[in-house]
Amino acid sequence: EVQLVESGGGLVQPGGSLRLSCAASGFTFSTSGMNWVRQAPGKGLEWLSYISISGSSAYYADSVRDRFTISRDNAKNSLYLQMNSLRAEDTAVYYCARDLRADAYDIWGQGTLVTVSS
Amino acid sequence: AIQMTQSPSSLSASVGDRVTITCRASQEIRNDLGWYQQKPGKAPKLLIYAESTLQSGVPSRFSGSGSGTDFTLTISSLQPEDFATYYCLLSGTFGQGTRVEVK
Repeated sequence: EVQLVESGGGLVQPGGSLRLSCAASGFTFSTSGMNWVRQAPGKGLEWLSYISISGSSAYYADSVRDRFTISRDNAKNSLYLQMNSLRAEDTAVYYCARDLRADAYDIWGQGTLVTVSS
Repeated sequence: AIQMTQSPSSLSASVGDRVTITCRASQEIRNDLGWYQQKPGKAPKLLIYAESTLQSGVPSRFSGSGSGTDFTLTISSLQPEDFATYYCLLSGTFGQGTRVEVK
């Protein structure tokens, strides 16, 4: 079965850090670009970051650049998002998604909730 | 950065209705626009990419069109399972979303 499964979400205090993971199965992860997308409660979708197949290229939304770092381990079929200096406005469900092309994220995980609150 | 304006923000429709949702880009783009459907508590689902290419498994009542700056998602005959929120995506920018509700 083709799937992505996120983990690592939870409650964190403002200024804290969290690392999200995304485990891939059922497709060739090592030949897939990957994205992180988030959705704040009751809000729309926000693209956060993209990483290339090899991991040599990464891109970020302005809202998270310099605070979040995307990475991957093709040997473990896993994608990661290291989140530092977290703010209340980072509270959201975080999704990982496979990048078929720039406008086509064809496989999505179920999402993991990150809550930033004191 | 390219700005995306999606309209309407919500609409009310009945089963069998033809529904049209529009995304307008702030500058001319290639046909690199996708459409997504999201139901409450679920991950988004890819419907259409490259402006008009139907993703595998998506019913043919969904179609995409447009060029330049204006792009449209059309549902030719709304079905009960189509009540959801729809988003366009271009170059890492999602539209604001259109909620399709029961009339």
